[in-house]
Amino acid sequence: GAVVSQHPSWVICKSGTSVKIECRSLDFQATTMFWYRQFPKQSLMLMATSNEGSKATYEQGVEKDKFLINHASLTLSTLTVTSAHPEDSSFYICSATNPSGYEQFFGPGTRLTVL
Amino acid sequence: AQSVTQPDIHITVSEGASLELRCNYSYGATPYLFWYVQSPGQGLQLLLKYFSGDTLVQGIKGFEAEFKRSQSSFNLRKPSVHWSDAAEYFCAVGADDYKLSFGAGTTVTVRA
Repeated sequence: GAVVSQHPSWVICKSGTSVKIECRSLDFQATTMFWYRQFPKQSLMLMATSNEGSKATYEQGVEKDKFLINHASLTLSTLTVTSAHPEDSSFYICSATNPSGYEQFFGPGTRLTVL
Repeated sequence: AQSVTQPDIHITVSEGASLELRCNYSYGATPYLFWYVQSPGQGLQLLLKYFSGDTLVQGIKGFEAEFKRSQSSFNLRKPSVHWSDAAEYFCAVGADDYKLSFGAGTTVTVRA
């Protein structure tokens, strides 16, 4: 149980285009989902917290107009990287909390490469 | 806000030898502590967690960790390392707002 999927697993796009990444909880309802960014050889940095039916809460320094997050249902959150540029190339990982809230279940990640 | 320190950036261990990864946390209240493992290009897999109760926690793949409040530590151990244990290991602390703060990670290399 507690499986989280991400789609796509990798994506290559041209500079200036927008990319959408989906995060789904497959066998549980996730009231809260988190989006992280990980650069090579570095740790995970929390970008935003997403609660179903409400606006996402962004961490300091994360541009909310650049990284659009939508959490329209209890099993789906999406991250859209708008007008992507090479510096947005990174590994994006989502997680979802179980009903207790204190444990996060992580997706397999999405590798974004912007040319 | 909570924070995590993993003092060892890289550890090399011989196959069959014991392994200990250090983790120190900073948090004013009772922390929720986690150890995750990540293989290259993959997501995170939970090894074990501590919420309350017995301070020695058993996890998957033969790992265990001990919560020591007096030392603000949650070190990860494995008695005998296998080559498949080569990976990146992250310690994380959770707070009442459900957010996780991750340490910088420790890369484990296993030599034959």
